[in-house]
Amino acid sequence: DAKTTQPPSMDCAEGRAANLPCNHSTISGNEYVYWYRQIHSQGPQYIIHGLKNNETNEMASLIITEDRKSSTLILPHATLRDTAVYYCIVRVGDDKIIFGKGTRLHILP
Amino acid sequence: NAGVTQTPKFQVLKTGQSMTLQCAQDMNHNSMYWYRQDPGMGLRLIYYSASEGTTDKGEVPNGYNVSRLNKREFSLRLESAAPSQTSVYFCAITRNTGELFFGEGSRLTVL
Repeated sequence: DAKTTQPPSMDCAEGRAANLPCNHSTISGNEYVYWYRQIHSQGPQYIIHGLKNNETNEMASLIITEDRKSSTLILPHATLRDTAVYYCIVRVGDDKIIFGKGTRLHILP
Repeated sequence: NAGVTQTPKFQVLKTGQSMTLQCAQDMNHNSMYWYRQDPGMGLRLIYYSASEGTTDKGEVPNGYNVSRLNKREFSLRLESAAPSQTSVYFCAITRNTGELFFGEGSRLTVL
């Protein structure tokens, strides 16, 4: 089973920040949090990952709580092209990488 | 998605037929994965290979066999296709920084 829990769907107005939550209450100390998104029927695309510090790149920001039991992916200025399914996973090393059902994000014009 | 090449991109089979999905990488990475995605569903791991010559079962391995004969290629075989195996199949590798990089997918229909 997936080690993460995400809401099945969310809406966000275009131009606003989209905040996607992920619960990973059983995460262990050496497991990283990874985020991917999947647009239509394309292969998932990597967005960002982190261990315990907050991370930012050109696509998004990742906020990890101090206890590491949850995280939030932030898309700072959502556009229609950000409509996708977003997956949060936790993993360490090249092990069995399990995806959950993800969050379907709808960007509203 | 240069770097991970899947063939064929589309295939229609009749129940009971066999076929092999091929995945090849030119990124020289150790780990390779096969996932399936049914319409409206998330990805489910079929098999993975941490290195050349090794394979492990994922969440849904029944009905499939895999082969990792060299570092570059990881094939997925359906010995006797069933309609329940109609799906989109994705091959992926892990990059040096740990993230998965996916191929474009292979769309299989079993009649």
